[in-house]
Amino acid sequence: SQELEQSPQSLIVQEGKNLTINCTSSKTLYGLYWYKQKYGEGLIFLMMLQKGGEEKSHEKITAKLDEKKQQSSLHITASQPSHAGIYLCGAEPTDSWGKLQFGAGTQVVVTP
Amino acid sequence: GAGVSQSPSNKVTEKGKDVELRCDPISGHTALYWYRQSLGQGLEFLIYFQGNSAPDKSGLPSDRFSAERTGGSVSTLTIQRTQQEDSAVYLCASSSGPDYNEQYFGPGTRLTVT
Repeated sequence: SQELEQSPQSLIVQEGKNLTINCTSSKTLYGLYWYKQKYGEGLIFLMMLQKGGEEKSHEKITAKLDEKKQQSSLHITASQPSHAGIYLCGAEPTDSWGKLQFGAGTQVVVTP
Repeated sequence: GAGVSQSPSNKVTEKGKDVELRCDPISGHTALYWYRQSLGQGLEFLIYFQGNSAPDKSGLPSDRFSAERTGGSVSTLTIQRTQQEDSAVYLCASSSGPDYNEQYFGPGTRLTVT
């Protein structure tokens, strides 16, 4: 089965500062998905990346997938309190199409 | 409804009892997924339904777990003879199909086995 490592495990950032979360797979991926979860709530879809070298942005969040399709980063610019939560990467391996395997998550805390 | 709905939102049951968890996917979504999120275990895939194909049950942790999807829409996850280690949040997701796997998640059912 694939290994999906997410780092860091937790992150405390001052409001207005940037932050980056990384997700690394042991296998080449068909797709890489980023979700956000607030405590006690379901997952909110952020972005999906499928092509090597792909980069997508939405508001202040940018996600990239490397050319080998094994590593992704999520970058938040000028963080705000609304960015606090748990960020999860979900991977769809090429040999296990359809179901997602998730990283352990990164807890983001934004301080004033 | 506009999104994936799940019921109940919370369920407390005694060890050894059976429970049924319900998922109502987004209308028109052919793919439906069940995941489990427990403390210290992260988010774990359980089962995946795609259209009329046989479900992918590879993530079910034991034969006490089963799921059905009736009429290609609503799904029920059944846990028989519940154990304390079954306590977790059970999340359901749906997507429009295998070629576009943007999964939309429901709010989850928090199961507590006492």
